[in-house]
Formats: sequence, C-alpha cells, structure tokens
Amino acid sequence: DQQVKQNSPSLSVQEGRISILNCDYTNSMFDYFLWYKKYPAEGPTFLISISSIKDKNEDGRFTVFLNKSAKHLSLHIVPSQPGDSAVYFCAASSEGSNYKLTFGKGTLLTVNP
Amino acid sequence: GAGVSQSPSNKVTEKGKDVELRCDPISGHTALYWYRQSLGQGLEFLIYFQGNSAPDKSGLPSDRFSAERTGGSVSTLTIQRTQQEDSAVYLCASSTTWTAEGYFGPGTRLLVL
Repeated sequence: DQQVKQNSPSLSVQEGRISILNCDYTNSMFDYFLWYKKYPAEGPTFLISISSIKDKNEDGRFTVFLNKSAKHLSLHIVPSQPGDSAVYFCAASSEGSNYKLTFGKGTLLTVNP
Repeated sequence: GAGVSQSPSNKVTEKGKDVELRCDPISGHTALYWYRQSLGQGLEFLIYFQGNSAPDKSGLPSDRFSAERTGGSVSTLTIQRTQQEDSAVYLCASSTTWTAEGYFGPGTRLLVL
C-alpha cells in the first residue's frame, strides 16, 4: 500500500508560468514532508521541506503548501524555468524516525522554453 | 570531491552471485542512509547508520541484504545470491544530524541477469 502518492507521472508547463506538483499521503503519523528534485543519472537533491505545524513554507521560487486535513501537499514553482525540468519526489517521515523517508513515485516536470 | 560518492556506478551480475556496493559519505557526516529505487517506483528505505548507534535495518528486504559502516565513514551494502528483483538503483545519502535532508550520491545501477 502506497503511503505517499504522486498521481501525476508527468507535467508540462511553459517557461515563466506556474508549475504545481501534487502529493497525497495516507499515514496520519507523518509530520515532516520534503520535496526532492532529481536529474537523470544523479541522486535526488533536497529542495524544500515543511513541518506539520505549518501550512506553508517558501524558499525563493519554491513554495510548499500543506493541507493536513486533506493529507495533501503541493509544490509551487513560480516562475518555472527550463532548468527546473526534472523528476520531483515527494517524501514524508514521522517523529522518532525522521531519517526514514517514504517517497512517492515522482512526477516528471518538463518546462518548455 | 565534496559530495557523496558511490562505486561502481553500474554493475551487471548473474543471478545467484554476490555483489558489494560502496558508499563514501561527505566527510564529517555522521548519518548515512541506503535507499533503492526500482524501475517506476519511488525510493525505498533500506538501512540507516548514525554515529556509533546500532543501525536501523528495518528496510532491508531480506536476509540476503546486509550493510556495514566501517570507522564511521565508508559503507558497504552487500547483496548475497542476487535475484532479478534486486535490479534497481541503489542510492546512498549522508547528513550531519538526524535531519532527513540528506545529500544523495549518484547511485549504483544494479542489473541482475
């Protein structure tokens, strides 16, 4: 049973527009959420995180929103750039084992010039 | 280099053979993680080392899998009697603390024929 789901395998947006990547989770014990970006033949790179005590965290062009009641989070990238084209993974962990991340399957984002 | 390194980058082996995968974490990082990513799947937690504490091996899929971390630095993941379902990218990450935002290496792509 997948505890972290990214239901869109791919997303295509135009340069300069907003990219919205979605993630749903089922485990109510999750209290820390992260987004990673992965280029081909490279390991994932940490992007941004959010604790369950917050509903929004912003870092430059990247904003993560958390809706605990819906068990849903999203990553907004504004404005999108061609260099943002990569696979984005949503991940979650719970208190006491915050090193043990549960990942979604990823969403391939393509930003077209 | 300053990042996490893994070797080999690619490994092709025959079913039933043993393989060893190596991870060199970032110097000074006390925490080390192994994950694997099977085709079309998210990353799956395997094992976690933190300093001199007993490792969390709860993610290892079978007793054919084992890992060591010598001297608090280099780690080796060993898979005995490999099976075709072991084919995946094996990723290592390290971090300075209990935080989950580890720095990932490029991975070892394992193919079991």
